[in-house]
Amino acid sequence: ILNVEQSPQSLHVQEGDSTNFTCSFPSSNFYALHWYRWETAKSPEALFVMTLNGDEKKKGRISATLNTKEGYSYLYIKGSQPEDSATYLCAFGVAGGTSYGKLTFGQGTILTVHP
Amino acid sequence: NAGVTQTPKFQVLKTGQSMTLQCAQDMNHNSMYWYRQDPGMGLRLIYYSASEGTTDKGEVPNGYNVSRLNKREFSLRLESAAPSQTSVYFCATNIIAGGIYEQYFGPGTRLTVT
Repeated sequence: ILNVEQSPQSLHVQEGDSTNFTCSFPSSNFYALHWYRWETAKSPEALFVMTLNGDEKKKGRISATLNTKEGYSYLYIKGSQPEDSATYLCAFGVAGGTSYGKLTFGQGTILTVHP
Repeated sequence: NAGVTQTPKFQVLKTGQSMTLQCAQDMNHNSMYWYRQDPGMGLRLIYYSASEGTTDKGEVPNGYNVSRLNKREFSLRLESAAPSQTSVYFCATNIIAGGIYEQYFGPGTRLTVT
């Protein structure tokens, strides 16, 4: 079983604060690292897929970086808004074989942005 | 184009009852997955199907069976429900574009076993 860890488990910030959280994953047999945003009572929504060491992706106020050599990814939210409140999940994809396409998810970081 | 659909949305079962969760996709994707989501545990893979006619166990398969009926449909069966199976169940499919795959999720089924 692959170990994908996210920290912190939960985070409370004030509107306007910038924040970041971490996903750590095995550094061997890496294929891709995914970030999802999941709101209660909805299905997880894909934010980013990153495959190359040093990748940086950005979507509006949200960005992510990837370090495959040391096995971590950061997700940053600039100027948090109440609508950013959600659980942020990272997922690790292994290279090739019968596991191709399978993702192992971290336990998620629950973000609450207070007005 | 409905994407990934799941039925039912909610279900309450008594311990020992059986039921089947249905998942269907209209995106012509080969791979389909069943996950369960529990507080503090993220999404854990129960079973997956890399292609029509094949199924494989994931991380937490005990107490479940699956059927990949055709390319569109992938069902999850609980033969004898237990309170430990109270969870939210998500079905997902894979799209592969340019060698990169992404998973698309259904809306979830919230199951309570009493």
